Amino acid sequence: GAVVSQHPSRVICKSGTSVKIECRSLDFQATTMFWYRQFPKKSLMLMATSNEGSKATYEQGVEKDKFLINHASLTLSTLTVTSAHPEDSSFYICSASLASGRSYEQYFGPGTRLTVT
Amino acid sequence: DAKTTQPPSMDCAEGRAANLPCNHSTISGNEYVYWYRQIHSQGPQYIIHGLKNNETNEMASLIITEDRKSSTLILPHATLRDTAVYYCIVRVYYSTLTFGKGTMLLVSP
Repeated sequence: GAVVSQHPSRVICKSGTSVKIECRSLDFQATTMFWYRQFPKKSLMLMATSNEGSKATYEQGVEKDKFLINHASLTLSTLTVTSAHPEDSSFYICSASLASGRSYEQYFGPGTRLTVT
Repeated sequence: DAKTTQPPSMDCAEGRAANLPCNHSTISGNEYVYWYRQIHSQGPQYIIHGLKNNETNEMASLIITEDRKSSTLILPHATLRDTAVYYCIVRVYYSTLTFGKGTMLLVSP
């Protein structure tokens, strides 16, 4: 099946620093990649959608200058949390979509736990 | 996409069938019913999806009512590893997955 990886799985950073999270589709080329955020005991919230070579589309309320998304290839997307603050501590999950005929299945990575101290 | 309603939590004894309900009374004719689950601190895992016919795979069965306004996910022999949050999502095939609150299924020995 389609596999999506994320790196790192856990990261701790100091307030004010930036941190980059990578999302890779390992055995398929993803037409679209998605970034979700999940706070404790809450559901996944979509942050942004990106297509390779295009600017990401951000959901309402998500600061595009704070959460920088780069989708440089069909197998790699990165999310950079700039000037991180403790309230950015969350579980970040990426998803990659494989378009095949009428199927646009989304496959999810294992998530990255970000803790900002 | 149509909204769904799921019970916030359910319990199931290990080895018994777990039947998770979902209401989607405003579903449109071109919307599919998808089920995902999320084990604690992991990414969501696809389980099954269907349009109007019942579906079965190695993980579960999906029963969709004839009027398509509700569905049930069946885990035939629940194990402790099936403890997770189960999400019922209704979507057209090309739309982004949007997650509700889901059902927390606790499988006990």
